Amino acid sequence: RKEVEQDPGPFNVPEGATVAFNCTYSNSASQSFFWYRQDCRKEPKLLMSVYSSGNEDGRFTAQLNRASQYISLLIRDSKLSDSATYLCVVNPGTASKLTFGTGTRLQVTL
Amino acid sequence: NAGVTQTPKFQVLKTGQSMTLQCAQDMNHNSMYWYRQDPGMGLRLIYYSASEGTTDKGEVPNGYNVSRLNKREFSLRLESAAPSQTSVYFCASGTGAGANVLTFGAGSRLTVL
Repeated sequence: RKEVEQDPGPFNVPEGATVAFNCTYSNSASQSFFWYRQDCRKEPKLLMSVYSSGNEDGRFTAQLNRASQYISLLIRDSKLSDSATYLCVVNPGTASKLTFGTGTRLQVTL
Repeated sequence: NAGVTQTPKFQVLKTGQSMTLQCAQDMNHNSMYWYRQDPGMGLRLIYYSASEGTTDKGEVPNGYNVSRLNKREFSLRLESAAPSQTSVYFCASGTGAGANVLTFGAGSRLTVL
């Protein structure tokens, strides 16, 4: 089993739609969790951290379920500019062990 | 603008040639990292440096060497390039050994023929 698994997509959604991605991880000792965004042929950039109680940043909501070992990202009112690949990142304790998922591709259309 | 700068952006090599990817950060971060990204695979750590003067192997170190020249600079060397090293390489930096948030460079696209 991969350490971090994501549905590769693509998720094709119309502008204004709500879309959710899940990511599962295998290491139950994992301590911190993140979503990064990667535009085509660009570097990954931090989108948001994921906190145990769940957290929101504008149209983006991240949640963590430790019991089931998954994290989720919800995007409301999708914009064309949200089109990108979203990487799930899990840290089991030290940054040298950060594990990246392969990413979920989102395409928002008119 | 503050950030991570890596060069070159593109490079084509023949099998057996050597080259060095350069990376510099101006954020005063302690930790620096080299990753490779291949289609269908997540970013994989090649080498990292938790602080100036130290380097350690990551998940896929074979065929690579690194140098942490000073706090700002961390270079990645391919001594004898192989087609399997065709990839996109990203340098990143973070604030400490346990740093969770990484800032990435723009990437270096390497093709080995």
